Amino acid sequence: RKEVEQDPGPFNVPEGATVAFNCTYSNSASQSFFWYRQDCRKEPKLLMSVYSSGNEDGRFTAQLNRASQYISLLIRDSKLSDSATYLCVVNRGSGYSTLTFGKGTMLLVSP
Amino acid sequence: DTAVSQTPKYLVTQMGNDKSIKCEQNLGHDTMYWYKQDSKKFLKIMFSYNNKELIINETVPNRFSPKSPDKAHLNLHINSLELGDSAVYFCASSHDGQGDEQFFGPGTRLTVL
Repeated sequence: RKEVEQDPGPFNVPEGATVAFNCTYSNSASQSFFWYRQDCRKEPKLLMSVYSSGNEDGRFTAQLNRASQYISLLIRDSKLSDSATYLCVVNRGSGYSTLTFGKGTMLLVSP
Repeated sequence: DTAVSQTPKYLVTQMGNDKSIKCEQNLGHDTMYWYKQDSKKFLKIMFSYNNKELIINETVPNRFSPKSPDKAHLNLHINSLELGDSAVYFCASSHDGQGDEQFFGPGTRLTVL
């Protein structure tokens, strides 16, 4: 099983749609979880951290289920500017540990 | 006031050459990283340094040699470049390297001919 697996995509949605991304991770010792966004030919940028209780930032909601080792990202009222690749990111455990990036799911929002 | 900067942005070179990429961060972070993103867009960690000390080396060929003169700088030197080294190399930094969020530089697009 890959360390971090995401929906392969791409997701093509109209403006205003709600879209959900799913991610699973294999390391039960992981303690930090993030969603990053990467625009074409740009660097990854932090979208939001993901907390056990779930968290929301405007139109974006992230959920974490530690028992199932599952993370989700919900985008409501999609905008054209949301078109990007969304990367699920998980750390490898405690202490000095790097982040493992999923392959990403591309989102294309059309008018 | 760029947070993480890399030079050069583009690098085109012949097989067998040696090249270096430089990275600097002004965030006051203790930890810096090098990642490789290949043509399939998969982002893979290569190295991690904390306060100038190497803490993670992800089985990268020894043609790749990172150097950290101080905690704000992490350079990557590549010897005897191969076609398969063509990729985008991203530098990143984070506060303490313990699974905290990372901030990325704009990337260096390396093409080996």
